[in-house]
Amino acid sequence: NAGVTQTPKFRILKIGQSMTLQCAQDMNHNYMYWYRQDPGMGLKLIYYSVGAGITDKGEVPNGYNVSRSTTEDFPLRLELAAPSQTSVYFCASRVDNEQFFGPGTRLTVL
Amino acid sequence: DAKTTQPNSMESNEEEPVHLPCNHSTISGTDYIHWYRQLPSQGPEYVIHGLTSNVNNRMASLAIAEDRKSSTLILHRATLRDAAVYYCGEGGSDMRFGAGTRLTVKP
Repeated sequence: NAGVTQTPKFRILKIGQSMTLQCAQDMNHNYMYWYRQDPGMGLKLIYYSVGAGITDKGEVPNGYNVSRSTTEDFPLRLELAAPSQTSVYFCASRVDNEQFFGPGTRLTVL
Repeated sequence: DAKTTQPNSMESNEEEPVHLPCNHSTISGTDYIHWYRQLPSQGPEYVIHGLTSNVNNRMASLAIAEDRKSSTLILHRATLRDAAVYYCGEGGSDMRFGAGTRLTVKP
């Protein structure tokens, strides 16, 4: 199993640009999550999903959108990038009470 | 919103026990308490979780207060490889984390 994969690893965006961060898992987990981690800080929950077709807002959803059309994929969309969205983004899937995190996407907005 | 607080940093000597505290001031009755750790430039990894009873696994022990407003992660014999940022958190379907405790292990 590849586990949780995230693409791209790094990205630089200009203010106002849009992009989609990709997340995929091959463990058939129903639960999936997106977190952001600002430099030197902890993890903040952006959005989560308990299964295909179901998504819910977390602590910091403003400026982001998600979709969950399949069990495997949980993309995160940034529509109008702002410098405040400079962060490392982690995707995770979960079975029982154990989350499995991807390696992260480092995003810089200039 | 849940409020989970941890000390910013702690130090330990190698091969000594470490007790990492966490306060869960607004935890709900059905939320699990969980702990993860993060090494530099990596994603967090699972350590342990519990609901009401104390829990043990191969990595650590978790002690949960009777009122569930606090928990303690116990590393029985710290090694240099245990140096990391440790996050406590709580949640049901959503899983939220505190700001983390940076553990330094001195040889």
